[in-house]
Amino acid sequence: NAGVTQTPKFQVLKTGQSMTLQCAQDMNHEYMSWYRQDPGMGLRLIHYSVGAGITDQGEVPNGYNVSRSTTEDFPLRLLSAAPSQTSVYFCASSIGGATDTQYFGPGTRLTVL
Amino acid sequence: AQKVTQAQTEISVVEKEDVTLDCVYETRDTTYYLFWYKQPPSGELVFLIRRNSFDEQNEISGRYSWNFQKSTSSFNFTITASQVVDSAVYFCALILNQAGTALIFGKGTTLSVSS
Repeated sequence: NAGVTQTPKFQVLKTGQSMTLQCAQDMNHEYMSWYRQDPGMGLRLIHYSVGAGITDQGEVPNGYNVSRSTTEDFPLRLLSAAPSQTSVYFCASSIGGATDTQYFGPGTRLTVL
Repeated sequence: AQKVTQAQTEISVVEKEDVTLDCVYETRDTTYYLFWYKQPPSGELVFLIRRNSFDEQNEISGRYSWNFQKSTSSFNFTITASQVVDSAVYFCALILNQAGTALIFGKGTTLSVSS
């Protein structure tokens, strides 16, 4: 099993550009989530999904969209990138729900100029 | 409100020393889960342990051990005979047993082990 994979590993965007961060898992996990990690702020939940076709907002959802058309994939879309979205983004998955062990992907380091 | 405090920002030890990383949490809920994750310099988050609020039994896994005490709302992590490969940022996290809940992370403790 590859576990949780994320692409790209690094990305530089200009303000106003849009892009999609990819996340996939091959463990047949129902629950998937996106966190961002910022210095001094720890990790914060952006969006999550409890299963295919179901998504919901986390603590810091503004400026991001998600969809979950399959169990395996949970892409995160930045609609119009802003410098405040410079961060490291982690995708995670767990077998059942949020309280099960969440396994994290390797992260995407995003810089918005 | 829920909170996780890791008061030790940075710890430096020499190889083979034992080191304890402190984690204190706040919640009024009776059902919750606690986690430790390791973030090595390469940046990924590695799961170490999950413990539910009804299981106060201490756990040992090789050189790692965890001490969960509900009376003091603490979930401390001890590395015995530390090694250079243990150098990383360690995060303690709390999650409640509620729909829509998120992992609440502490700010992390940076452990540096020198040879």
